[in-house]
Order: sequence, then C-alpha cells, then structure tokens
Amino acid sequence: EPEVTQTPSHQVTQMGQEVILRCVPISNHLYFYWYRQILGQKVEFLVSFYNNEISEKSEIFDDQFSVERPDGSNFTLKIRSTKLEDSAMYFCASSRDRTGQPQHFGDGTRLSIL
Amino acid sequence: GENVEQHPSTLSVQEGDSAVIKCTYSDSASNYFPWYKQELGKRPQLIIDIRSNVGEKKDQRIAVTLNKTAKHFSLHITETQPEDSAVYFCAANSDTDKLIFGTGTRLQVFP
Repeated sequence: EPEVTQTPSHQVTQMGQEVILRCVPISNHLYFYWYRQILGQKVEFLVSFYNNEISEKSEIFDDQFSVERPDGSNFTLKIRSTKLEDSAMYFCASSRDRTGQPQHFGDGTRLSIL
Repeated sequence: GENVEQHPSTLSVQEGDSAVIKCTYSDSASNYFPWYKQELGKRPQLIIDIRSNVGEKKDQRIAVTLNKTAKHFSLHITETQPEDSAVYFCAANSDTDKLIFGTGTRLQVFP
C-alpha cells in the first residue's frame, strides 16, 4: 500500500535557524497538508496546498512558515527562524481528492529546537 | 469557531469488553468524520471513517455512528484486545476540508 514518506525522522536545530521538513505524498494524490502535534496534545492543522498554491492556512502558519512543491514529488515545509515553541511533531498528509476523502499521514518529523 | 470535543480523555477496559469514545462537532458544514489510532511515537493511522449521508458503518470489531442532528459521532470497539491500546482521535472536516481533531482518548486494554 502506498504511503506518505517524511524526512528526516528527527531534526534538532538551534533556535533562530532555518529548517526544511520534507514529504513525498502518495503519487496520485492532489491535496497536501501539514499538521503539527505538540507532545501530548492534539493534532493541529497548519496549511493545505493544491495546484501549487496554498488553499488555507491556520493562525499558527505565520510569516516564518512557507511551503513549496519544488518538483513533481516533494512537498516541503520551511520554518525560517525557529522558536522554542516550534518544537513538535510535524505530519504531512495527502488525499486523492478534496471533499470527504481520507487523508493519509506520514510518520512525521520530530522537530526539537534548542 | 470550528471545534471538536472528545470524551473521555482516558478509558481503561478489560480485554474482551467494549469501548466507546464520543465526539461532538460544531461546524454544520462538516460531512466527513474519520477516526485515527495513534500508537506512541507513531503517525495517526486512519482506522475508519463515515460520511454524513450514512448513520452507521462497521468494519469487523470497529463501528462508527453519526447523529447529524445532534452533531455527535462515536467510535465503538467490541471485544477489545491489548493491541487496541493507543490514543484515538476523532476528526471532522471543515468546509475547506482541513481536519479538525478532537483532543484524543487514551485507551488502555488490560489483559
């Protein structure tokens, strides 16, 4: 069964540094998402992406965040200047269609900001 | 605003008993309700979902019910096994199809 893959599995970065989290969505999926989960808390929506542009972003997704689909397979989340509170698990998800379609999650990247 | 409430936060059952987790959503536009199982340190794994044109859906030991009028939906696990132990999240889609998650239920099944 095809899966969403994410790299790296764990990223440790100094506060203020830039990080790029990478995702390869399922190949025939058209809708892509980033979510984050602070340890012990619920999963929170960050951003959705379709047709090479952001469809929606949450309040968390401020100017320090950006997403990109640099080629036909990768989908990246960049945090320009990391803060301590950015420490969390970041999940990429993809779905084949938009309305009422299952979103399949990757294994996540654990981001630790020191 | 968009919100999904989930209860209970923790649930302990004996192996073989049933477990029920309940969620309430606020967005009338929601029409898709997935349930995810998350084991420690792992990704949320979709275990069952239901759409608003259906009142109940069953897959082996797992069933989900939906009451659109009351904006309630529930997960039922029968004949629980120790490997069912995990955190379970309900979710509802918004009109823009992002998923809004509940706060999770930690299910422990004791042998």
